[in-house]
Amino acid sequence: RKEVEQDPGPFNVPEGATVAFNCTYSNSASQSFFWYRQDCRKEPKLLMSVYSSGNEDGRFTAQLNRASQYISLLIRDSKLSDSATYLCVVNFANAGGTSYGKLTFGQGTILTVHP
Amino acid sequence: DTAVSQTPKYLVTQMGNDKSIKCEQNLGHDTMYWYKQDSKKFLKIMFSYNNKELIINETVPNRFSPKSPDKAHLNLHINSLELGDSAVYFCASSPLTRSGNTIYFGEGSWLTVV
Repeated sequence: RKEVEQDPGPFNVPEGATVAFNCTYSNSASQSFFWYRQDCRKEPKLLMSVYSSGNEDGRFTAQLNRASQYISLLIRDSKLSDSATYLCVVNFANAGGTSYGKLTFGQGTILTVHP
Repeated sequence: DTAVSQTPKYLVTQMGNDKSIKCEQNLGHDTMYWYKQDSKKFLKIMFSYNNKELIINETVPNRFSPKSPDKAHLNLHINSLELGDSAVYFCASSPLTRSGNTIYFGEGSWLTVV
């Protein structure tokens, strides 16, 4: 089983649609969680962190379910500029509790928003 | 000002050659990384250095040798390049925190081995 798994898509949605991405992770000791966005031929950039209580940033809502080891990202009112690959990212801690930033990336979910 | 900069951005080279990719960050971060993104778009960590000290070394062929002259620089040297080394190599940096890190990536170096 992959450490971080995502539905690779692609998701093709019209402008204004609501789209949801799911992600599961295998290591129950995972410490922190993120969604990154990667545009074509560009570097990944942080979209948002994911907190246990759920968090929202404008049109983006992230949820974490530690019991099910499941993370989600909801995008409302999709824009053309949302077209990108969305990467689910999990940070595993070492034995000392320090993360050392060993981020493990899912394979990404491709989103295309069309007019 | 570019926060994490890496050079060269594009590199085409023949099998068997030795090449280096340089990386510098001006964010004052303690930790730097090299990630590899293959043709299937998987992004995998290769190495991590904290304040010039190697802390993560994933299963990477020993043809790959990172070097960190100071905490703002992490270079990647690759010996005897193989076709399978063709990929995008991303340098990154982050502050070292206990609760998790946001990491900042460079723009990537597209390596093609022919």
